[in-house]
Amino acid sequence: DQQVKQNSPSLSVQEGRISILNCDYTNSMFDYFLWYKKYPAEGPTFLISISSIKDKNEDGRFTVFLNKSAKHLSLHIVPSQPGDSAVYFCAASSNYGQNFVFGPGTRLSVLP
Amino acid sequence: EPEVTQTPSHQVTQMGQEVILRCVPISNHLYFYWYRQILGQKVEFLVSFYNNEISEKSEIFDDQFSVERPDGSNFTLKIRSTKLEDSAMYFCASKNSVNTGELFFGEGSRLTVL
Repeated sequence: DQQVKQNSPSLSVQEGRISILNCDYTNSMFDYFLWYKKYPAEGPTFLISISSIKDKNEDGRFTVFLNKSAKHLSLHIVPSQPGDSAVYFCAASSNYGQNFVFGPGTRLSVLP
Repeated sequence: EPEVTQTPSHQVTQMGQEVILRCVPISNHLYFYWYRQILGQKVEFLVSFYNNEISEKSEIFDDQFSVERPDGSNFTLKIRSTKLEDSAMYFCASKNSVNTGELFFGEGSRLTVL
């Protein structure tokens, strides 16, 4: 039972362009969402979060959009840089930040 | 910058052996977690720990698993009798508040069960 889905296992983007990573969830109780980036042989690194009371949160090159009615969120990276190449995980929680359920991840490759 | 540290980075063990994975969470954090990632699969929640007791655990966290905070700094995951399917990357994480706030992850301990 996949409560958090990332339907694109991989994505390739040209340097300088926008990267859009998508995440869908099924549990309507989820109210807090995070995006993590993971390099090989390292732990996940927090990127950005959003709570269900918002529909957008921005931090530098990273913006997360939340569409609660569609149970969908997306991470936009603008402009994309080669150093952004990593696996990106969407994570969701109910009770505002208790235990998180992770999606399967999307591997982003930013081509120079 | 404070970080979560984990040891060992890689452990190879024989099936049936006991394994202890160690974590030092960020010092002012109060909530501690273990997650694991089997190769090629998603990151899965195992257990959360607060105030010296388990606050939540997943179906994966059966009687073979236990956690402990033996002193003020370490947080350990013990697997009593390892199975082949326990081979995975185990991540420790911590955070300082119960609501909101991101989890800070360690770099992981790779467990290989032969």
